Amino acid sequence: SAVISQKPSRDICQRGTSLTIQCQVDSQVTMMFWYRQQPGQSLTLIATANQGSEATYESGFVIDKFPISRPNLTFSTLTVSNMSPEDSSIYLCSVDWTGQNIQYFGAGTRLSVL
Amino acid sequence: LAKTTQPISMDSYEGQEVNITCSHNNIATNDYITWYQQFPSQGPRFIIQGYKTKVTNEVASLFIPADRKSSTLSLPRVSLSDTAVYYCLVGEGNTGGFKTIFGAGTRLFVKA
Repeated sequence: SAVISQKPSRDICQRGTSLTIQCQVDSQVTMMFWYRQQPGQSLTLIATANQGSEATYESGFVIDKFPISRPNLTFSTLTVSNMSPEDSSIYLCSVDWTGQNIQYFGAGTRLSVL
Repeated sequence: LAKTTQPISMDSYEGQEVNITCSHNNIATNDYITWYQQFPSQGPRFIIQGYKTKVTNEVASLFIPADRKSSTLSLPRVSLSDTAVYYCLVGEGNTGGFKTIFGAGTRLFVKA
């Protein structure tokens, strides 16, 4: 299976600041996905990131708040902008490198906003 | 994407077999059924995937009846370390990067 590394693993940030989360995969993949998981909740898909094109955002998520970069086939970043305490959550990236709709996830980034 | 319904939580004891059933009445012809396991502070981990009848791997078995409107994940002889949230998802397989939508999942508690 693909190895997915996320950085940072956790962070504590001040309200109004921004945090960029990195996701590195050891295999080339077409699509990468970003999820949010609030405490005790299931995962919510934020956006799908294709290399070389704009990310596709799910309902309730906008590019100004969660800009995503996908500069190559092994790397992506998600920025959480102008943070508020409501953004405190775990953010996860995933890939489907098999092409069989099987997702492989990173360990996640635990974000706390004060 | 077909909606899935699972029990919110289940309790079991070590050594027992656990069966978690997922309902997916609107499953489409091209949809596969995929199960994930998630431990606290970790990302979900793929367990098993199937299309029909029965699939078995080293971790679990997946039973899918002929009408495919439900599926059952079977965990043989669970241990305390199987305490986790289990997610059932339905979506197209073999399409390369099809996005995955997670439902609420089933919280399994394994007791000593």
